[in-house]
Amino acid sequence: AQTVTQSQPEMSVQEAETVTLSCTYDTSESDYYLFWYKQPPSRQMILVIRQEAYKQQNATENRFSVNFQKAAKSFSLKISDSQLGDAAMYFCAYRSGNQFYFGTGTSLTVIP
Amino acid sequence: NAGVTQTPKFQVLKTGQSMTLQCAQDMNHEYMSWYRQDPGMGLRLIHYSVGAGITDQGEVPNGYNVSRSTTEDFPLRLLSAAPSQTSVYFCASSRRHRLYEQYFGPGTRLTVT
Repeated sequence: AQTVTQSQPEMSVQEAETVTLSCTYDTSESDYYLFWYKQPPSRQMILVIRQEAYKQQNATENRFSVNFQKAAKSFSLKISDSQLGDAAMYFCAYRSGNQFYFGTGTSLTVIP
Repeated sequence: NAGVTQTPKFQVLKTGQSMTLQCAQDMNHEYMSWYRQDPGMGLRLIHYSVGAGITDQGEVPNGYNVSRSTTEDFPLRLLSAAPSQTSVYFCASSRRHRLYEQYFGPGTRLTVT
């Protein structure tokens, strides 16, 4: 069964600094997709970034980038120049076929 | 586009009561799903559908029923509510190809007493 593990329940970062959130997953498949979602206190789930497993190049979206290590089954999220609005719960997710699997989340605090 | 809408936003039920959580999307997405979110457990898939008339079970389907009579709507029915079903419920939709991310509704906070 596919599983997604986020080993950091809570993280904090100073405003304007960089933080990396970890995610590992377990799968026997070779073709899949990975996502990071952000959930602010409003509860709305917002897509941050996605990565296709067949692409070796790491995805980047403005201040957000991933470090995708397929052999290690690792998919970490780096947030650069952290802003107060980045404070939220972050979920790593894996999609295979018709099912999505989510990690347990990392709560990110941004310190002014 | 309204995206994914859910009603109600909050609900309190007594043990044994039944109710339906409504979900609708206006993006013509084939794929729709229901999750529950509990503290420390992330989102867990309850049921999903890949098109009208097609549904399947996810990780935690017991105590819930779904149907998909139209592309737009995917209601979730609680047959006989239990305190263990106290949770936040999210509906989501997506285009069918696995490249695509899911769009989420605003969630329903359900409390069963």
